[in-house]
Amino acid sequence: GENVEQHPSTLSVQEGDSAVIKCTYSDSASNYFPWYKQELGKRPQLIIDIRSNVGEKKDQRIAVTLNKTAKHFSLHITETQPEDSAVYFCAASMGGGNDMRFGAGTRLTVKP
Amino acid sequence: DAGVIQSPRHEVTEMGQEVTLRCKPISGHNSLFWYRQTMMRGLELLIYFNNNVPIDDSGMPEDRFSAKMPNASFSTLKIQPSEPRDSAVYFCASSLGLTNTEAFFGQGTRLTVV
Repeated sequence: GENVEQHPSTLSVQEGDSAVIKCTYSDSASNYFPWYKQELGKRPQLIIDIRSNVGEKKDQRIAVTLNKTAKHFSLHITETQPEDSAVYFCAASMGGGNDMRFGAGTRLTVKP
Repeated sequence: DAGVIQSPRHEVTEMGQEVTLRCKPISGHNSLFWYRQTMMRGLELLIYFNNNVPIDDSGMPEDRFSAKMPNASFSTLKIQPSEPRDSAVYFCASSLGLTNTEAFFGQGTRLTVV
């Protein structure tokens, strides 16, 4: 089955700096790569996703890049704010009702 | 739609007791996932269903765990007998089951086995 690895496990940045989280996946058939944000005591919620036919996607301060050849994808957050502090999870799926496997998560702390 | 609904939100039980967690997916969603979240192991996929049929239960830790989906609007995850190491937050999520669609999570059930 699919195996997703995520790095780093913790990340601390100053407010205004950029943050980058990286993930690799094992199954070349995976074609859907969402990113979830989980605030303390709450449920994971989708913040951005990318499909295999796209190399990059951006939504305001958040961007995701995908390299299918290398089987890795990354989340980029620019101009970080304290409210960006949370645990971020990457995931990979073959879609079409197949399973969705998550990385171990990255705890991001943005210091004011 | 109220989203994915899980019950109970919190459950405290004694070791050896049976625990049943419940999930109502978003209406119209065809895929349902059960995840377990712990500090040590992150979000683990336990089992998922498509159109009420279990597709992959390889993540279920052992025979003490079982899951059912008797209809499109209800699923249960049962642990019998429960053990302290089962303490975790259990999330249910649902999606349309089509290619490249978001999974929506419920609020989770925090299970404590003492």
